[in-house]
Amino acid sequence: AQSVTQLGSHVSVSEGALVLLRCNYSSSVPPYLFWYVQYPNQGLQLLLKYTSAATLVKGINGFEAEFKKSETSFHLTKPSAHMSDAAEYFCAVKGNAGNMLTFGGGTRLMVKP
Amino acid sequence: GAVVSQHPSWVICKSGTSVKIECRSLDFQATTMFWYRQFPKQSLMLMATSNEGSKATYEQGVEKDKFLINHASLTLSTLTVTSAHPEDSSFYICSATGVSSLGGYNEQFFGPGTRLTVL
Repeated sequence: AQSVTQLGSHVSVSEGALVLLRCNYSSSVPPYLFWYVQYPNQGLQLLLKYTSAATLVKGINGFEAEFKKSETSFHLTKPSAHMSDAAEYFCAVKGNAGNMLTFGGGTRLMVKP
Repeated sequence: GAVVSQHPSWVICKSGTSVKIECRSLDFQATTMFWYRQFPKQSLMLMATSNEGSKATYEQGVEKDKFLINHASLTLSTLTVTSAHPEDSSFYICSATGVSSLGGYNEQFFGPGTRLTVL
């Protein structure tokens, strides 16, 4: 069984500040991990994914995430927030067999000017 | 890259009518498609998984007679909400995975979603 916990349903940062969105997972098998972004009334856009290669994964729009097996975490970071980063972010996990994704509850990122 | 489209992007219907939502993979063969439902300010809830040519597998609590899923080809899956009621109003998102000319995918590609409003 797999599960994902996103700590903090809402995160607010100032423009230019560090963005940190937390994701912890549980999986009985080595996981694939994903971060998606969703803008209002739109589908999900893949930001980045971890597929057992490098533990530090760089994605689009300046985001990156580090897979830490010892902490079962896959936190998303961005050094400097931009107003356009305001959106809903979802962390998801997939086992190495099968295609089913398990999503976290989502974190709404707000960026203050 | 792999692209998934949905049609319509939004639909308003009267209570009691049926609504069909299409999900298409535009540049790859979608051997597996997923249908999700998302209520406002909530995460995605998987409704069902469908493999091309097979009956869909529904998640617990999802009525298969109400949410009819057809995946008759490698590029098209449809979700029909039968006898829709206001409580069925939601954002429906499909995703797909499968194979391209370069091999199999290990991720899902998401459609843009369909906003259903039942009056």
